[in-house]
Amino acid sequence: GAGVSQSPRYKVAKRGQDVALRCDPISGHVSLFWYQQALGQGPEFLTYFQNEAQLDKSGLPSDRFFAERPEGSVSTLKIQRTQQEDSAVYLCASSQGFGETQYFGPGTRLLVL
Amino acid sequence: GQNIDQPTEMTATEGAIVQINCTYQTSGFNGLFWYQQHAGEAPTFLSYNVLDGLEEKGRFSSFLSRSKGYSYLLLKELQMKDSASYLCAVRDPRGSASKIIFGSGTRLSIRP
Repeated sequence: GAGVSQSPRYKVAKRGQDVALRCDPISGHVSLFWYQQALGQGPEFLTYFQNEAQLDKSGLPSDRFFAERPEGSVSTLKIQRTQQEDSAVYLCASSQGFGETQYFGPGTRLLVL
Repeated sequence: GQNIDQPTEMTATEGAIVQINCTYQTSGFNGLFWYQQHAGEAPTFLSYNVLDGLEEKGRFSSFLSRSKGYSYLLLKELQMKDSASYLCAVRDPRGSASKIIFGSGTRLSIRP
């Protein structure tokens, strides 16, 4: 596609519910990143894929967060047993290769009640 | 540790020039980005500096001094649509990923 797309754009979850956030990167982009952005803050790194390999997951805040990219294209960020502190915008970005400029999707705004 | 500092808010007048400063202290450095982010939208790429000096791109210019850990974004001929947050971000080459570490952003308001 023309750009990075994410779905859903908005998600309201009850505390304890599991959620899955989808990212479709720019076609052909090897690298894919997930970020979490709290209100009034810059994006914070969560995890990084090169093709289907998850090379860095050091930013995932807890073991309730899990990401996958099984075929090296679409990626899913899953949050289990959501907590109120998980409320944020989750941004996905892709780049053509390692070290290239990252292009961001519109984000998924998650609200946990 | 990693630290990126930029002013929280700035105000400027339509048609004027504004400079947004960014200082950084990071364990590694492999380039500095500026992104623009309108409220509720994705960050969009503005500039990338890896060598010292000034990079000009239309109304926007970005400057880098690696020895001082300092960058600025210069916006000329300000337009109302330039009202947005401007994010300074540093690429950290450590580890297996080309991580980008973002500052908290500078919210720029343009008044007529």
